[in-house]
This record gives sequence, C-alpha cells and structure tokens, in this order.
Amino acid sequence: DVKVTQSSRYLVKRTGEKVFLECVQDMDHENMFWYRQDPGLGLRLIYFSYDVKMKEKGDIPEGYSVSREKKERFSLILESASTNQTSMYLCASRGTGSSYEQYFGPGTRLTVT
Amino acid sequence: GQQLNQSPQSMFIQEGEDVSMNCTSSSIFNTWLWYKQDPGEGPVLLIALYKAGELTSNGRLTAQFGITRKDSFLNISASIPSDVGIYFCAGRDSNYQLIWGAGTKLIIKP
Repeated sequence: DVKVTQSSRYLVKRTGEKVFLECVQDMDHENMFWYRQDPGLGLRLIYFSYDVKMKEKGDIPEGYSVSREKKERFSLILESASTNQTSMYLCASRGTGSSYEQYFGPGTRLTVT
Repeated sequence: GQQLNQSPQSMFIQEGEDVSMNCTSSSIFNTWLWYKQDPGEGPVLLIALYKAGELTSNGRLTAQFGITRKDSFLNISASIPSDVGIYFCAGRDSNYQLIWGAGTKLIIKP
C-alpha cells in the first residue's frame, strides 16, 4: 500500500525560528512535492524535486528551501518562520510514467506565533 | 501562471441530492484529475481522465474530460454524509506540471 508520511501533524513555532518539515515515501518515487494549502486558495506548489539532490521552484518558493539527500525523503525548511507562513503543508510523491497521480501525506498544520 | 477556475467554491446540500462541480481553464490540458480531501487528511485521487470526451465512473462518482480539453466535470449521485470534504480538480499542462483548482467544499445539511 502506498504511503507518504509527514513528521508532524501539528506544529507550533515562534516567529524567527528555523522549522524543518520532513516527508518520507515508501514507493520509490522519483518526484516529490511540497504544497501549502490555505482556505480559498487551494494547493500552491512551493518546491518540487525530480531526483536526489535536484530541486525546482514552484509558484511560491519565497521564504522556503528544500533538501533531498535521499530518494525517499524530502524536507521543507523555513529559515526564519513568519506568521504569514501559518498554513497546512502537504507533501506528495509521484512516480514516472503516464499516470500523473500524486500521493499525498496527511499534512502538517503549522502555526507561527 | 496558469489558473483553473473551480466552481462552486462551496455547496450546502441535503443527503440524497446529486452534486455537480466543474473546472475550467484558459489553456488546454492533457490530463484531468479529481481528488477528495477528508477533514484533517491529505487529498486522495478519485478519478483520472486522459482523453478528451472521456467519461469515467467510480461508484457514485462520474467525471468527464471536456471535449475542448479546457474543462472537466465531477458529479456525485445520491450524496451521503461521508461525501463531505473538499474536492479538487487538477489539470496537467504541456510542461507536465499539475495546475490545481481552489477546491469545492461539500457540506451536507443536517
């Protein structure tokens, strides 16, 4: 069974803190994605990675960075958290091939105070 | 960037009613995907469409890939309480990226 896990379901951090969100997939997928979800805005792509050590900016990369040192793990980093980064963060993975289905983790609800 | 217009933004329906929602784009897409997100969970794929005009069912759900390749529709027949959640459409563009709609929130009136 396909599985994407995220390190935390809920996280509360203070403004200025460095925040790490971890995502692990067990499907040997090449592609991994980080989205943020805000009410009325749907899913917005922050960064994605199509291979180990490779990364591409999505639509809203400002204030974020990513790391992919191993195929199964994709980390999202907030270098200095700000209150406008309070959101739901969703990680997804996808294999290569003609199906474009992305498999999602359960999400991390981050609150920055 | 490209945008998908998904409507309605939310729906209040009675149990047993049929539901329709749609997504439209100014660009042509080669694939349409419909996802459902239950409260507190990540989205899960419901239906994938790969050809213009394609009509695909998954239980009480039916989705269609518009003939112009710029729109897609999702219908739910005889809604039940577990249908509540947020439904997202996503289209694959010519750069092989997924473009997401803003979601349709389905709420069932008690």
